[in-house]
Amino acid sequence: DSGVTQTPKHLITATGQRVTLRCSPRSGDLSVYWYQQSLDQGLQFLIQYYNGEERAKGNILERFSAQQFPDLHSELNLSSLELGDSALYFCASSVGLAGGRYNEQFFGPGTRLTVL
Amino acid sequence: GNSVTQMEGPVTLSEEAFLTINCTYTATGYPSLFWYVQYPGEGLQLLLKATKADDKGSNKGFEATYRKETTSFHLEKGSVQVSDSAVYFCALSENTGGFKTIFGAGTRLFVKA
Repeated sequence: DSGVTQTPKHLITATGQRVTLRCSPRSGDLSVYWYQQSLDQGLQFLIQYYNGEERAKGNILERFSAQQFPDLHSELNLSSLELGDSALYFCASSVGLAGGRYNEQFFGPGTRLTVL
Repeated sequence: GNSVTQMEGPVTLSEEAFLTINCTYTATGYPSLFWYVQYPGEGLQLLLKATKADDKGSNKGFEATYRKETTSFHLEKGSVQVSDSAVYFCALSENTGGFKTIFGAGTRLFVKA
């Protein structure tokens, strides 16, 4: 158990809909990262928040948005869903802002999104 | 842009065999390099890392050396076990004011008893 929790575990929805994925980081971790894992795209970095502020952005679509709240939990919002958005969405957390000898990312178990 | 290329799988080995999974990278700066492991139905776990050239990361019998001259970070283990069966991801991370991680495609390893 990494200490990172994600809800829900599974989500099935229809094209055009909007969903919200939730992540609670490990206690004391200030950074939250979101990743998408799909068969055709592999594992892709989406976005990083540190203490409520966006700090790094990857291949995140405009239909997707995220935020980190004052209690440090984070939500990833996916809207106007398409079939191709079906994937595993992972959240990770770390103590600090950026890489370093002691700054390790801990991954949650993921949310499996199926768009029908 | 930066990228990571790792050998395609699946790799199938017998227990106690020697493992090598090749990984090369392209980066403009001085990234940190990582190997992550993903067991079935689970999230990724950090296996080992190296933050600068010639560093060797090691953990649980696995090791990899950051080779800047060949832009490589190959994963090795001298004697694999059935419990090592998993998907292994090579990754690099850049410090850009945040921390962006780029992953390779992953290599699935099957170890037979």
